[in-house]
Amino acid sequence: NAGVMQNPRHLVRRRGQEARLRCSPMKGHSHVYWYRQLPEEGLKFMVYLQKENIIDESGMPKERFSAEFPKEGPSILRIQQVVRGDSAAYFCASSLGNEKLFFGSGTQLSVL
Amino acid sequence: GEDVEQSLFLSVREGDSSVINCTYTDSSSTYLYWYKQEPGAGLQLLTYIFSNMDMKQDQRLTVLLNKKDKHLSLRIADTQTGDSAIYFCAEIRGGYNKLIFGAGTRLAVHP
Repeated sequence: NAGVMQNPRHLVRRRGQEARLRCSPMKGHSHVYWYRQLPEEGLKFMVYLQKENIIDESGMPKERFSAEFPKEGPSILRIQQVVRGDSAAYFCASSLGNEKLFFGSGTQLSVL
Repeated sequence: GEDVEQSLFLSVREGDSSVINCTYTDSSSTYLYWYKQEPGAGLQLLTYIFSNMDMKQDQRLTVLLNKKDKHLSLRIADTQTGDSAIYFCAEIRGGYNKLIFGAGTRLAVHP
């Protein structure tokens, strides 16, 4: 049973481009969480999704950021018109809806 | 305050015990967690404790919970160099198993 899979592992974008980060949850998990980690900081909650629904997006910036978790396929975190301040590690976690959250290895986004 | 707080750095000698402390904020948190992050890697769930427990032991790891003071600690017995990592404390906040993390404690183990 593979763990939470995130890709790409590293993503480099120039200012103004779009970044798409993908997360495949563990098999059977229908709950997905996205977190952002800035250098030397802890993880900050961004958004919580269940299949086809956004449940809590209280941690998402109001503009340029969006997330989806379609019926088929991975969850996508999309950042439009990236800026240098978006450079961070983005982690996805999944669960069955119980108290155990399992994290992926993250995507390191670097904005030049 | 609203933050989960941890000391930022701990240095121990190999073979000694390490104690990492955390203060959380939400007295209604049902679960409290310890995650381990090695350089360049994701978060590994080490252990977690249900809020009606005072203590949980799992091999070299002991978690102590003081609900009155909202204080959580992680003790690692016989600390090894492989335990060098950042340790994150987290609490559940809200109804969706949303985890709120502390800033992490960097554990350095030296010979």
